[in-house]
Amino acid sequence: GAVVSQHPSRVICKSGTSVKIECRSLDFQATTMFWYRQFPKQSLMLMATSNEGSKATYEQGVEKDKFLINHASLTLSTLTVTSAHPEDSSFYICSASGWGGIYGYTFGSGTRLTVV
Amino acid sequence: AQSVTQLGSHVSVSEGALVLLRCNYSSSVPPYLFWYVQYPNQGLQLLLKYTSAATLVKGINGFEAEFKKSETSFHLTKPSAHMSDAAEYFCAVIPPISGGYNKLIFGAGTRLAVHP
Repeated sequence: GAVVSQHPSRVICKSGTSVKIECRSLDFQATTMFWYRQFPKQSLMLMATSNEGSKATYEQGVEKDKFLINHASLTLSTLTVTSAHPEDSSFYICSASGWGGIYGYTFGSGTRLTVV
Repeated sequence: AQSVTQLGSHVSVSEGALVLLRCNYSSSVPPYLFWYVQYPNQGLQLLLKYTSAATLVKGINGFEAEFKKSETSFHLTKPSAHMSDAAEYFCAVIPPISGGYNKLIFGAGTRLAVHP
């Protein structure tokens, strides 16, 4: 079945630094990738949607310059949290959809970001 | 706007008892519907999905859900709960679209506890 690999699973960084999270589709071409943020004991909040080779579409209220998304190939998307601050600490999850994405999405295992 | 409501943020059942997790959607046109499970600090795993085929959908781990258009519901059931079913469950919907990307919209989630 479809597999999405997300790395790292956990990262701790200092305030003011940038962190990159990778999301790879291992056995299918991910035409669309989605990035979510999840606060403790809450649901997933969609941050942005990206299609391969195109600029990401951000949800209202999500800072484009803060959360940089790159989807340069059909198997890789990255989320870079720039100048991270403690309030950016959260669980970030990617999901990927191949051709005909209405049939569901495959999720990565998530990244726990802690900014100290 | 399309939304999905999960009734009951916490559900507790005894091992071996029936599991019923409720999900209602708001749409005049049936959307695509999904149930996902999330274990602590992990991504989401697809349990089952409804894509306008059979109204009774069977998923993994003994779960099933029935799409009822008249009730705008897609409740998740399992005849006999197992301790390993304890997790967070999310109902999600892809609304009928008119342009744009297919975005998964999540309910708030239901935490299932299973006690001996």
